[in-house]
Amino acid sequence: QKEVEQDPGPLSVPEGAIVSLNCTYSNSAFQYFMWYRQYSRKGPELLMYTYSSGNKEDGRFTAQVDKSSKYISLFIRDSQPSDSATYLCARRNRGAQKLVFGQGTRLTINP
Amino acid sequence: GAVVSQHPSRVICKSGTSVKIECRSLDFQATTMFWYRQFPKQSLMLMATSNEGSKATYEQGVEKDKFLINHASLTLSTLTVTSAHPEDSSFYICSARGLAGTDTQYFGPGTRLTVL
Repeated sequence: QKEVEQDPGPLSVPEGAIVSLNCTYSNSAFQYFMWYRQYSRKGPELLMYTYSSGNKEDGRFTAQVDKSSKYISLFIRDSQPSDSATYLCARRNRGAQKLVFGQGTRLTINP
Repeated sequence: GAVVSQHPSRVICKSGTSVKIECRSLDFQATTMFWYRQFPKQSLMLMATSNEGSKATYEQGVEKDKFLINHASLTLSTLTVTSAHPEDSSFYICSARGLAGTDTQYFGPGTRLTVL
């Protein structure tokens, strides 16, 4: 079983739609969760960083963590064509440096 | 702030040659740098972790004699792919973590290596 599971998609939605991206994880250790956005042929860019259950909001982006279900989500409101990219979830154990990434979901927002 | 650069952005080489990739933190000191490899449509896989002034720690299955990592200063780490083969063709990405107290890794733009 992979440590972080993510549906690779591709996912295609119309502009303005709400996008929901999800990951599940298997390790129960206290840990941090991150969402990265990666445009084609570029390095990942940190979008959201959280360590507790519940929601964290930043502009049009909301990260949600459900530790009881080992489920993390990223919601994008009012999606824009510029949001088209691959979105990677990642986790890091407390006290560790290593990031473990999901496979990434390729998202396309259609004008 | 927190900008990481990589050089070169793209390199094509012949099989059997060695290639060096540089990773620099431009506006902060990076005590730890990480090297990842990403194959097409796949996620990032950590290859090794390097701390300034010490030997790199390699992930299981990564050959340390093939992928030489040097982290000589707080702003520069290099990855040398020795005796490159076509199967080493990939997207190599570095990230840098700042001084103690900062958890975030900042990623470079990546280097696309093609071995003919």
